[in-house]
Amino acid sequence: QVQLVQSGAEVKKPGASVKVSCEASGYTFSSYAIHWVRQAPGQRLEWMGWINTDNGNTKYSQRFQGRVTITRDTSASTAYLELSSLRSEDTAVYYCARDEGLTALDFWGQGTLVTVSS
Amino acid sequence: DIQMTQSPSSLSASVGDRVTIICRASQSISSYLNWYQQKPGKPPKLLIYPASSFHSGVPSRFSGSGSGTDFTLTINSLQPEDSATYYCQQSYTAPYTFGQGTKLEIK
Repeated sequence: QVQLVQSGAEVKKPGASVKVSCEASGYTFSSYAIHWVRQAPGQRLEWMGWINTDNGNTKYSQRFQGRVTITRDTSASTAYLELSSLRSEDTAVYYCARDEGLTALDFWGQGTLVTVSS
Repeated sequence: DIQMTQSPSSLSASVGDRVTIICRASQSISSYLNWYQQKPGKPPKLLIYPASSFHSGVPSRFSGSGSGTDFTLTINSLQPEDSATYYCQQSYTAPYTFGQGTKLEIK
């Protein structure tokens, strides 16, 4: 069965960077894009960017341009989200999700809580 | 960016009722509209895409319609397990924005 398993919770200080992993199983990793979406406490879902897992091409939301990097390791069937220059407003649950082909996100990771606090 | 607005923000209904949630886009998105269900502490689950196609395993009491800027999610014969927050998302163009959510409470 399709599974996306994310790395564990992180606590970071303002100005630091965080890298979250998303390991896929149960399907051919390079056949489906991976998106990253975050959700701050009590807030709506916010799309951050996506990666074509086959060729590594990426597209990011302008809101995070310059601070976000999405990469993948096809040998490990794993996608990564790195967010730099963290501030308190980046405290959120970060999700990876598989793109079924029409930019509908059909399988999601369990979420990774990133807390930014001094 | 395309703005997605849902109404109502919350609603309360009884088991067996029919409920409708509206999602409006700030510009035309053709039929590129997805619906998700999210329960507390869990990731969202895809229900419907784009606009009216069912994701595998989604009960037939859920249905979606619309195109252009106006879309609806309808839940027929409401069940206790339908208590959740529902989000629409446009998949027309990046950034793939979400609505603010509609919290559905079962009385």
